[in-house]
Amino acid sequence: EADIYQTPRYLVIGTGKKITLECSQTMGHDKMYWYQQDPGMELHLIHYSYGVNSTEKGDLSSESTVSRIRTEHFPLTLESARPSHTSQYLCASSDLGAGNTIYFGEGSWLTVV
Amino acid sequence: SQQGEEDPQALSIQEGENATMNCSYKTSINNLQWYRQNSGRGLVHLILIRSNEREKHSGRLRVTLDTSKKSSSLLITASRAADTASYFCATDRRGGGADGLTFGKGTHLIIQP
Repeated sequence: EADIYQTPRYLVIGTGKKITLECSQTMGHDKMYWYQQDPGMELHLIHYSYGVNSTEKGDLSSESTVSRIRTEHFPLTLESARPSHTSQYLCASSDLGAGNTIYFGEGSWLTVV
Repeated sequence: SQQGEEDPQALSIQEGENATMNCSYKTSINNLQWYRQNSGRGLVHLILIRSNEREKHSGRLRVTLDTSKKSSSLLITASRAADTASYFCATDRRGGGADGLTFGKGTHLIIQP
């Protein structure tokens, strides 16, 4: 069982609202990730971090931003949500190094109306 | 472009039968991993096979890797209704970089009771 937690699990908000998806892990992992996944589709890496004060953009361009002030915490923020942001957002973490197992949270389902 | 591609996209079999899913990838890898995702949930790591390994077993799971063909297969023996899920293969980004894993589109497996 992975010790990585995401809140909220489900969120329905109006267009233009600012939202923050929270992600915390208690495994002491340096690397953390955010993936975006539409229903029945592949995962796309949108952000990752090597550790505190490190943030990088992933393959898929995203209007969201992330921060890494503490090792265990990697929140994702959308300043002004739009219907095109409706998706599932998966947070994950792993040890440093290539090819390590990635541990996923349960996901946050975001619907922008 | 997607590094990993699973085949078939969907598979429906009777409980007790074996299920085989395939994954092809494009660039050199250090290792390949398989993950399972139950509907609406996060991904769970199943098994990792390194590039110098040809076959690996874990319980009812058997994974093969053919680096010359850039392909892998996941076999689930004696399938159960609880095996119903989507299965993803994942490879190191850029053949060993520490940026995270690249996932395929997944195979949706349905086990009919």
